Amino acid sequence: IAGITQAPTSQILAAGRRMTLRCTQDMRHNAMYWYRQDLGLGLRLIHYSNTAGTTGKGEVPDGYSVSRANTDDFPLTLASAVPSQTSVYFCASSLGGPPDTQYFGPGTRLTVL
Amino acid sequence: AQSVTQLGSHVSVSEGALVLLRCNYSSSVPPYLFWYVQYPNQGLQLLLKYTSAATLVKGINGFEAEFKKSETSFHLTKPSAHMSDAAEYFCAVSDNAGNMLTFGGGTRLMVKP
Repeated sequence: IAGITQAPTSQILAAGRRMTLRCTQDMRHNAMYWYRQDLGLGLRLIHYSNTAGTTGKGEVPDGYSVSRANTDDFPLTLASAVPSQTSVYFCASSLGGPPDTQYFGPGTRLTVL
Repeated sequence: AQSVTQLGSHVSVSEGALVLLRCNYSSSVPPYLFWYVQYPNQGLQLLLKYTSAATLVKGINGFEAEFKKSETSFHLTKPSAHMSDAAEYFCAVSDNAGNMLTFGGGTRLMVKP
């Protein structure tokens, strides 16, 4: 059982370019999340999806978009990357409903130059 | 709105010494509380969670945490540190829907031989 996979592992990207970070889970979890991790700030929620076909905005959604076409996949797109989006991005999933344990992927390290 | 404060971004202990990582939260409703651990270059994994049952919660790897409502605290402890405990630890609180986590800034635990 793989759990959650993320791709790519790392990426260096020129500012202004479009980038999609991929996330796939095989646990049949209803809910999925995208976080960014920055030093001293912990993890901040970008977008979430409580179930396939629905998405919502988290704490820091600007500059990012998501889609949830099916249960397993939850891609995160940066339409026009900026240097402030340099971060480590984590995808997570959970069954949904309280209390809910989130399971995290290994992360994608993104550098925007 | 919820928030989490972790006192001390870095904590250093000697091997065999007590580990104490502090977490204080604010929440307008009874919270669910979590501690996650992140080893270098990995995603987060759950150590333990408080779900309004017992106030003393036992987790993996010998860690435990005590929920103290009067102090709005959920400090993480381990009686005897091991070198393998060196990692970053995150405290998180969720709302009463249970699936939106707010993270603290993290505490990096260093264990000296």
